[in-house]
Amino acid sequence: DAGVIQSPRHEVTEMGQEVTLRCKPISGHNSLFWYRQTMMRGLELLIYFNNNVPIDDSGMPEDRFSAKMPNASFSTLKIQPSEPRDSAVYFCASSMGRGNTIYFGEGSWLTVV
Amino acid sequence: AQTVTQSQPEMSVQEAETVTLSCTYDTSESDYYLFWYKQPPSRQMILVIRQEAYKQQNATENRFSVNFQKAAKSFSLKISDSQLGDAAMYFCAYRRSSKLTFGKGITLSVRP
Repeated sequence: DAGVIQSPRHEVTEMGQEVTLRCKPISGHNSLFWYRQTMMRGLELLIYFNNNVPIDDSGMPEDRFSAKMPNASFSTLKIQPSEPRDSAVYFCASSMGRGNTIYFGEGSWLTVV
Repeated sequence: AQTVTQSQPEMSVQEAETVTLSCTYDTSESDYYLFWYKQPPSRQMILVIRQEAYKQQNATENRFSVNFQKAAKSFSLKISDSQLGDAAMYFCAYRRSSKLTFGKGITLSVRP
C-alpha cells in the first residue's frame, strides 16, 4: 500500500512568496495531521483534521498559515506570505481512529530566503 | 497538558551491544498510547514500536522492546544487538484521542 504522499519534497522560495504544500493520506484513514519540525522547537502539531473537518488548529503559528482538506484524499498547507522563519520540514501524517498508529509522509523541506 | 520528556540529548552504543533510551511523560489519563519513532538522516519518521497503556505486557518488535512502567510514567526503549543502521534520532510520543505529542528526541550513534 502507498504511504502518505507529500509534495514537493524540497522547495526554496523567496520571502513574501506563497508556498503550498500538498498531502495525500493513506487510503481509508480518517485523521490527517500537519506537523512542523525545526531545530529550535522540535516537532510541533500545526493542525489536524478528522473526517475532513479541522478539529484543532491551535498550533497554526499565525494568519499567514492556512490548511484545507477538501476531500478524504487531499490536503494542503499554505503559507502566504512566507518568511525566513518558516523554514522547516513540514510533515503530513494520517491515521485511522483514536489511538492507532500515525503514519508520516517523507516531509517537505522548505527553505525561505 | 501532556508532556513528554527525553532528558538525554545524545547516546552512543557499540555495534552488537544493547542500549536503552529513556522517556517519561506526564498525564492524568489512564487510557492512552505510547510510541517510539525513528528518524534517520533522511528525516523520514518511522514507527519503531507501540504500547497501549491498558496492556501490562511490554511490547516487543524483533530487536526492539520497551519497559513500560505506568505508575512511574516511564517508557524506555531497549535496542538489542545494535546495528549501524540503528543510528538515528529517536522520538518518544504520547497519544490520547487524536493528538500525538513528541519528546525532543535523542540522537543515537552506533560505533563500529
